[in-house]
Amino acid sequence: EAGVAQSPRYKIIEKRQSVAFWCNPISGHATLYWYQQILGQGPKLLIQFQNNGVVDDSQLPKDRFSAERLKGVDSTLKIQPAKLEDSAVYLCASRMSAEAFFGQGTRLTVV
Amino acid sequence: QQQVKQSPQSLIVQKGGISIINCAYENTAFDYFPWYQQFPGKGPALLIAIRPDVSEKKEGRFTISFNKSAKQFSLHIMDSQPGDSATYFCAASSWGGSWGKLQFGAGTQVVVTP
Repeated sequence: EAGVAQSPRYKIIEKRQSVAFWCNPISGHATLYWYQQILGQGPKLLIQFQNNGVVDDSQLPKDRFSAERLKGVDSTLKIQPAKLEDSAVYLCASRMSAEAFFGQGTRLTVV
Repeated sequence: QQQVKQSPQSLIVQKGGISIINCAYENTAFDYFPWYQQFPGKGPALLIAIRPDVSEKKEGRFTISFNKSAKQFSLHIMDSQPGDSATYFCAASSWGGSWGKLQFGAGTQVVVTP
């Protein structure tokens, strides 16, 4: 069974630039999460999708972050404009039952 | 508001020793408690999980102990090996017609010395 695919693996951008991350969840998984993991901390939820609908985006900085899940499958997370404090690993996870599976993440460095 | 509190922040254990990591939660609606293992440069991987209807679950060298009344659960790593050196996260989630978010603890960095 293929896992959760994320790209790119690494991204370096200057502050105020925009960036986009892509996630392909495990086939058939209706629930998709985007988490932000700052170095030395636990993952923090940014947004949760159930199929293509948003379930929870209460911690998403909506003035600069946006996310969509096309046709309830792939998802993209965008940051525009990026700030220095957005430097982190962005993790995508998908879930069909209790067990959630994570991708390897995208490490973003904002300089 | 940190809904899942994890301790210690780090620990060092000798090969063959026991590693113990503790977590406490506030939300009584949580009904699924997984532990994730994360190596540098990798995403978290599920290690073991427990539901609140049992007090203990064991898988190989890894055991979860769960105390519903105290709202606490812990991970025990028996016969620790250098390959167990990683960061461990406890988490909690609830079912409300669909699975809610995973709330993570802050993580424990475990170093197993040879």
